[in-house]
Amino acid sequence: GAVVSQHPSWVICKSGTSVKIECRSLDFQATTMFWYRQFPKQSLMLMATSNEGSKATYEQGVEKDKFLINHASLTLSTLTVTSAHPEDSSFYICSASGQGHAYEQYFGPGTRLTVT
Amino acid sequence: GEDVEQSLFLSVREGDSSVINCTYTDSSSTYLYWYKQEPGAGLQLLTYIFSNMDMKQDQRLTVLLNKKDKHLSLRIADTQTGDSAIYFCAERSGQMGNTGFQKLVFGTGTRLL
Repeated sequence: GAVVSQHPSWVICKSGTSVKIECRSLDFQATTMFWYRQFPKQSLMLMATSNEGSKATYEQGVEKDKFLINHASLTLSTLTVTSAHPEDSSFYICSASGQGHAYEQYFGPGTRLTVT
Repeated sequence: GEDVEQSLFLSVREGDSSVINCTYTDSSSTYLYWYKQEPGAGLQLLTYIFSNMDMKQDQRLTVLLNKKDKHLSLRIADTQTGDSAIYFCAERSGQMGNTGFQKLVFGTGTRLL
């Protein structure tokens, strides 16, 4: 149980375009979802936390207008990178916590974004 | 703020035990976690320990917690090639993040070779 999927697994986009990444909890209801960013050979940096039906709360230094997060249902959250630039290239990982899993975060497989 | 430290690399021979160490600064941590990340993949939760426990064993994995020294370790018995990965220690901070949710703070990761 506690499976989290992400789609796509990798994406290449041109500078200036927007790209949407989906995060789904497959077998539990995720009341809270988290979005992380990971640079090569570095740790995970929490970008934002979203509760279902509420606006996301962003960590300090993360631009909310650039990284749009929507958590419209108990099984789906999306991250949209708007007007992407090469410096946004990174590995984006989501995690979910929820009913029956209050003390744990289950992570998706990640999405590698490359902006050319 | 919270800080979690790990050594960057650990190399062991197949069949030996691996011990990955982690230190943290937040004395109000409630849960401490070990995650495994294989190349190009997300994080897999291996095990976790509640802060009022000293030890937890789960098959080949043994977690030791020294709360006084804020030191956490993960021992992998009979290390196999499939154990090669990056291991992240994380603490569930006692401090509330911006969301009012106790956020996870990750260490830098230890690459087990």
